[in-house]
Amino acid sequence: DQQVKQNSPSLSVQEGRISILNCDYTNSMFDYFLWYKKYPAEGPTFLISISSIKDKNEDGRFTVFLNKSAKHLSLHIVPSQPGDSAVYFCAASDSGTYKYIFGTGTRLKVLA
Amino acid sequence: DARVTQTPRDKVTEMGQEVTMRCQPILGHNTVFWYRQTMMQGLELLAYFRNRAPLDDSGMPKDRFSAEMPDATLATLKIQPSEPRDSAVYFCASGGVTGFHYGYTFGSGTRLTVV
Repeated sequence: DQQVKQNSPSLSVQEGRISILNCDYTNSMFDYFLWYKKYPAEGPTFLISISSIKDKNEDGRFTVFLNKSAKHLSLHIVPSQPGDSAVYFCAASDSGTYKYIFGTGTRLKVLA
Repeated sequence: DARVTQTPRDKVTEMGQEVTMRCQPILGHNTVFWYRQTMMQGLELLAYFRNRAPLDDSGMPKDRFSAEMPDATLATLKIQPSEPRDSAVYFCASGGVTGFHYGYTFGSGTRLTVV
């Protein structure tokens, strides 16, 4: 049973526009969330995080929104750049453990 | 620049053979994870260790997979016997005290192909 779901396997966006990547989770105990970016033939790299005490966290062009009641988070990239083309994974954890459960990923393609 | 080192980078083996993948976590990191990337499941957590003690290996097929940390500088993931369905990219990740909030560091992965 997939506890963290990314229902869009792929997304294409024009350069300069907003990219919105979505993630849903089922476990109400999850209270910390991460987004990772992965390029081909490399390991995932950490992008941004959010805890359940917040509903928004920003870092430059990247903003993560958390809707706890809907068990939904989203990553916004504004403006999108061709170098943002990668696979994006969301991950969730409850702070009683150290482990993160990952989604299946969304492949983002930013078109020049 | 500190990094997690995984060896081998690529491995092709025949069904039934034993496969051992190795990971050198970042010095000082006390939490080590093994993940497997597949198209259908994304990044699956196989096992993880804290201070070298196994905390959870419920994601691993117990009959054929085993994970160990013989010392703080080495984590191993072994498959015996290997099967074609084990073909995937296996990632090791490590983290220190800030890893939970600021992300664990992943290695570049071992691409395993079982024929």
